[in-house]
Amino acid sequence: KNQVEQSPQSLIILEGKNCTLQCNYTVSPFSNLRWYKQDTGRGPVSLTIMTFSENTKSNGRYTATLDADTKQSSLHITASQLSDSASYICVVSASGANNLFFGTGTRLTVIP
Amino acid sequence: GAVVSQHPSRVICKSGTSVKIECRSLDFQATTMFWYRQFPKQSLMLMATSNEGSKATYEQGVEKDKFLINHASLTLSTLTVTSAHPEDSSFYICSASGGTSGSVYEQYFGPGTRLTVT
Repeated sequence: KNQVEQSPQSLIILEGKNCTLQCNYTVSPFSNLRWYKQDTGRGPVSLTIMTFSENTKSNGRYTATLDADTKQSSLHITASQLSDSASYICVVSASGANNLFFGTGTRLTVIP
Repeated sequence: GAVVSQHPSRVICKSGTSVKIECRSLDFQATTMFWYRQFPKQSLMLMATSNEGSKATYEQGVEKDKFLINHASLTLSTLTVTSAHPEDSSFYICSASGGTSGSVYEQYFGPGTRLTVT
């Protein structure tokens, strides 16, 4: 069964600190993995997208890693800001399909 | 580039009425559009996939007669919630894929529509 699991479910960190979010998946055949940021009441916004051959990709203070062998990904946020407070969703796409498999997200709260 | 808009952003309607939500790809032609529903503190759940000019493909458990989807052009898809009930209250998000500016396998999400049925 194609599944995407994320941890932790929620996380509270102090402004300026770093954090790492985890994503494990069982989607097969694998096509790509995406991390999205979703602010409350808004649609998801793409942060990174990685294919099978990529094991790291950065977008500003966001760095995603992918281990296709263990089917794990992480999203590292550096020097967090209050505006980073949002849900971060890991989404995996299967080959040959436009359908995406969504994780339940990690709710990040950055406090001053 | 690759901007998707939704209208309205919020709508409140009475039980039994119908509501139409529009999804537009503003700067690219979307060969495929997707409709999702998201309940509080849950992830997005795919409701249906529509290709321009074709009937939508609904996910299991989604009533096609209740959630009418029309994808009449490469830049517009509509979702009509018919005879809405309070349990239909949710956050509806569309996404669009393909076209001149958008990568074929990328989905660009709209900002969502908050539906409240009273």
